[in-house]
Amino acid sequence: AQSVSQHNHHVILSEAASLELGCNYSYGGTVNLFWYVQYPGQHLQLLLKYFSGDPLVKGIKGFEAEFIKSKFSFNLRKPSVQWSDTAEYFCAVVDSGGYQKVTFGIGTKLQVIP
Amino acid sequence: GAVVSQHPSWVICKSGTSVKIECRSLDFQATTMFWYRQFPKQSLMLMATSNEGSKATYEQGVEKDKFLINHASLTLSTLTVTSAHPEDSSFYICSAPPEGYGYTFGSGTRLTVV
Repeated sequence: AQSVSQHNHHVILSEAASLELGCNYSYGGTVNLFWYVQYPGQHLQLLLKYFSGDPLVKGIKGFEAEFIKSKFSFNLRKPSVQWSDTAEYFCAVVDSGGYQKVTFGIGTKLQVIP
Repeated sequence: GAVVSQHPSWVICKSGTSVKIECRSLDFQATTMFWYRQFPKQSLMLMATSNEGSKATYEQGVEKDKFLINHASLTLSTLTVTSAHPEDSSFYICSAPPEGYGYTFGSGTRLTVV
């Protein structure tokens, strides 16, 4: 069965600091990878996704993630965070050959201090 | 983009009563929808896969007689929590996997059983 690990459960950064959130998955087959964000009081929104091709994926709001197959990782990055990035971030994996069940990581709460 | 509408956003019910949660795909058809549950400080856990025109597929440990799922049409899936108890209090969220959109999520339903 596939699983997803997010190592940082709570991150506090000052505005303009750089961000990297770790995500590792466990699955032997081909996967599709996602990062979702949940702003306070709002529903889950897709930040970016990787299906195939260039392993460096750019998403909305200046976020990017790099798929490193050999490390089973899909870390999320942003060069300079803003207060409005305060939210919870979820890494997710889908078995691309299966019936599309999404497995989520536990989530990382990001707090950006002005 | 693809939109999934989920109602109600929150509901409080008495122990022993039943609660129905609706999930609608607004601008696309979804033969499959997924129902998740999120307990505090935990990740989203898949409860079941709703299939239009056939029985839902439940994940291990999820009581199918307690969480009734009906996929009545290509745009509507419902989750009914029957004989609700306080331990069923949780955040329930649905999603649908339109091709290329990365699994659009509803806004979620906060259920509180008193």
